[in-house]
Amino acid sequence: DTGVSQNPRHKITKRGQNVTFRCDPISEHNRLYWYRQTLGQGPEFLTYFQNEAQLEKSRLLSDRFSAERPKGSFSTLEIQRTEQGDSAMYLCASSLNGGDRDEQYFGPGTRLTVT
Amino acid sequence: DAKTTQPNSMESNEEEPVHLPCNHSTISGTDYIHWYRQLPSQGPEYVIHGLTSNVNNRMASLAIAEDRKSSTLILHRATLRDAAVYYCTRGTSYDKVIFGPGTSLSVIP
Repeated sequence: DTGVSQNPRHKITKRGQNVTFRCDPISEHNRLYWYRQTLGQGPEFLTYFQNEAQLEKSRLLSDRFSAERPKGSFSTLEIQRTEQGDSAMYLCASSLNGGDRDEQYFGPGTRLTVT
Repeated sequence: DAKTTQPNSMESNEEEPVHLPCNHSTISGTDYIHWYRQLPSQGPEYVIHGLTSNVNNRMASLAIAEDRKSSTLILHRATLRDAAVYYCTRGTSYDKVIFGPGTSLSVIP
């Protein structure tokens, strides 16, 4: 399967611990997006990359959050000193750049539970 | 802010057409209208998008009002597998997509 993959699918951690999630986009896609989704809400934009450059970060992305895409391929999202409010589904999506469409392909998400 | 408004929930009978409305009254001239859907325990899935003209694909049709302040996603024959949350979003080709809470569609057998 050549879709977007995310690892791990589930993560349980204690408050105060650091966690890191990985996203592998579709191979020819230049754009990569991170979203957070809580129950009953739509995905909230966190940040996105054009190749290895991080082009925009949401106000939701506090200084405890950092995202990288070092070689313009896979990306990692790290949360330091996790809080219970960080419990959510973290979604990654990728897309081709430009043109008249920017259809995003989403991964299955990583569900984070902070206890 | 790139806001869209949709009804919280809708119901449809199986094999009947479904019309899912969306208002985007502050849309700019270059913003595309995108629809995604999310089945339970899955990531969102692209459905359709358009700019000004009505659009059709194998999944659905998108009817865009002449003033572009609203649009309607049309599922021609709802099936049980179409039960999902449907998100109407807007964005330019070079910008992020903003999701609202969406419309939860229930399909009644």
